[in-house]
Amino acid sequence: GAVVSQHPSRVICKSGTSVKIECRSLDFQATTMFWYRQFPKQSLMLMATSNEGSKATYEQGVEKDKFLINHASLTLSTLTVTSAHPEDSSFYICSARAITGGRLSGELFFGEGSRLTVL
Amino acid sequence: KNQVEQSPQSLIILEGKNCTLQCNYTVSPFSNLRWYKQDTGRGPVSLTIMTFSENTKSNGRYTATLDADTKQSSLHITASQLSDSASYICVVSRYSGGGADGLTFGKGTHLIIQP
Repeated sequence: GAVVSQHPSRVICKSGTSVKIECRSLDFQATTMFWYRQFPKQSLMLMATSNEGSKATYEQGVEKDKFLINHASLTLSTLTVTSAHPEDSSFYICSARAITGGRLSGELFFGEGSRLTVL
Repeated sequence: KNQVEQSPQSLIILEGKNCTLQCNYTVSPFSNLRWYKQDTGRGPVSLTIMTFSENTKSNGRYTATLDADTKQSSLHITASQLSDSASYICVVSRYSGGGADGLTFGKGTHLIIQP
């Protein structure tokens, strides 16, 4: 079945550094991918919608200069947390909707998530 | 305002017992409703997806129901196993005609199966 892969699964970094998280759709094409943030015992919160070949659409309150999104191909989207601070520590999850026959299939697949800890 | 409310917030049951999780929503216009299982520290995995015309859908020991009139859904787990311990998330999709995904996530029900 369709798989969405995230890398790295865990990352620890120092405050002020930048961290890149990759999201790949392994056996299907995804013109649109989504990035979420999840705090402990909370629901997933949509951060941005990543569109292949164009600028990402950010949700209200999400700083686009802080969370850089690049969707360079139909199978890869990246989220870069720039100048990370301890409050950016969270669980980041991506998802992608499969395209079948040129149409969105409706099925939404999630990555395994990336745990970011900023010291 | 589009909202998804899940209950109970947490639930503890003994292995082998059945349980039912609830999801009420106010999302409109409705497109579909999904139930996901999320193990701790992992990404959500789809259990079922239901559209307006579907009342019941099963996936092994998981059975989801949908009442689009009352805007309620339930997830019934039969003969629970220790591996069922997880958070169960109800996600309702609003028909958006493209662009943003139009998903509203519930906060989930944290289920613990005790031996």
